[in-house]
Amino acid sequence: EAQVTQNPRYLITVTGKKLTVTCSQNMNHEYMSWYRQDPGLGLRQIYYSMNVEVTDKGDVPEGYKVSRKEKRNFPLILESPSPNQTSLYFCASRPDRTGADTEAFFGQGTRLTVV
Amino acid sequence: RKEVEQDPGPFNVPEGATVAFNCTYSNSASQSFFWYRQDCRKEPKLLMSVYSSGNEDGRFTAQLNRASQYISLLIRDSKLSDSATYLCVVNIGWGGKLIFGQGTELSVKP
Repeated sequence: EAQVTQNPRYLITVTGKKLTVTCSQNMNHEYMSWYRQDPGLGLRQIYYSMNVEVTDKGDVPEGYKVSRKEKRNFPLILESPSPNQTSLYFCASRPDRTGADTEAFFGQGTRLTVV
Repeated sequence: RKEVEQDPGPFNVPEGATVAFNCTYSNSASQSFFWYRQDCRKEPKLLMSVYSSGNEDGRFTAQLNRASQYISLLIRDSKLSDSATYLCVVNIGWGGKLIFGQGTELSVKP
């Protein structure tokens, strides 16, 4: 089954404790991205990757890091989480960056709370 | 001004009603357009792409007006199962970046 898998689904952590949210896709997609969703703001792109070892900032990258060592995996790293990073996070993949008309597939989301 | 704007609603309609959602976008470099559906903070899922000629999928009709930078979604004969948030999504340029509207909430009542 074609899917994007995120883990964990729910996480409560304390300020400053490094965490990683994993994302993996089994569709051989080149383009992967991370979004955060906040009430009234919609989904905003954090980082994206057009292929292995190619990553770039989205609209709200501050406080986040990513890596793309393998095509299927695109982890999101919060080195020192703060309460303003409490949000619902989604990983998404698309076949390739030039496929403007292609569907984006989303993971099930990670609900993060930083206290 | 937001790049993609939608009326957040909520739209509360009875079963069987016809409801229309509107969306405007500001970036003229926008290349492709979509409506996604999101249930109760779950992951968004593609409902349909939107083409300049307009397109229909069962009870759903999407239209695009590039000159006015306006997208619409019409749902006919609403079902209880249509209750969800509908996201207007625009692909900017050819780089794959998707810009999301904040979503329009629909609640269909018996």
